[in-house]
Amino acid sequence: EADIYQTPRYLVIGTGKKITLECSQTMGHDKMYWYQQDPGMELHLIHYSYGVNSTEKGDLSSESTVSRIRTEHFPLTLESARPSHTSQYLCASSEWDRLGVGYTFGSGTRLTVV
Amino acid sequence: SQKIEQNSEALNIQEGKTATLTCNYTNYSPAYLQWYRQDPGRGPVFLLLIRENEKEKRKERLKVTFDTTLKQSLFHITASQPADSATYLCALDGDMRFGAGTRLTVKP
Repeated sequence: EADIYQTPRYLVIGTGKKITLECSQTMGHDKMYWYQQDPGMELHLIHYSYGVNSTEKGDLSSESTVSRIRTEHFPLTLESARPSHTSQYLCASSEWDRLGVGYTFGSGTRLTVV
Repeated sequence: SQKIEQNSEALNIQEGKTATLTCNYTNYSPAYLQWYRQDPGRGPVFLLLIRENEKEKRKERLKVTFDTTLKQSLFHITASQPADSATYLCALDGDMRFGAGTRLTVKP
């Protein structure tokens, strides 16, 4: 059973709106990640964090920003949504001190910008 | 930077047969390698991790091998079932990146 939660599950929003995708985990994991994935395509790392007050950009150029004020919370914000932001956004967390358990992913937020 | 290649974009097999998926990597040898399953519209689910000093790892009908000389991992599903149909991804130690995945379809 997943201990990482993403809300909303689906979001349809107009161009130019500001949106925040929520991600929370209850496992106490230090590391958290955001991935972007189009249907049938590969995962692209867009942001990651090694702990509180740590955020880094990933491989895919993204106009989104993230924050990590609390260990359990890693929200992603788009200041001005555009149709090109339409995609699925997946949040994940991990704790590498516990080798063998891998990444835990949320169910994702499917974003459509019209 | 490390590159992960999953050779087959799609693999179709008959129920009951063994599915074999490949994950190749370049550059440095990872300390461990992981395999995940992803169903449409969902996040990947962790299946198995194999360390560099382990040649083989098993979990129920799943078997993973790791050949650091060939820079390759093989993922086997024995006695495959239609419910095994999904996309399977590999990832390398703490690299945070995943292969593009292989879409497996098991036909009844």
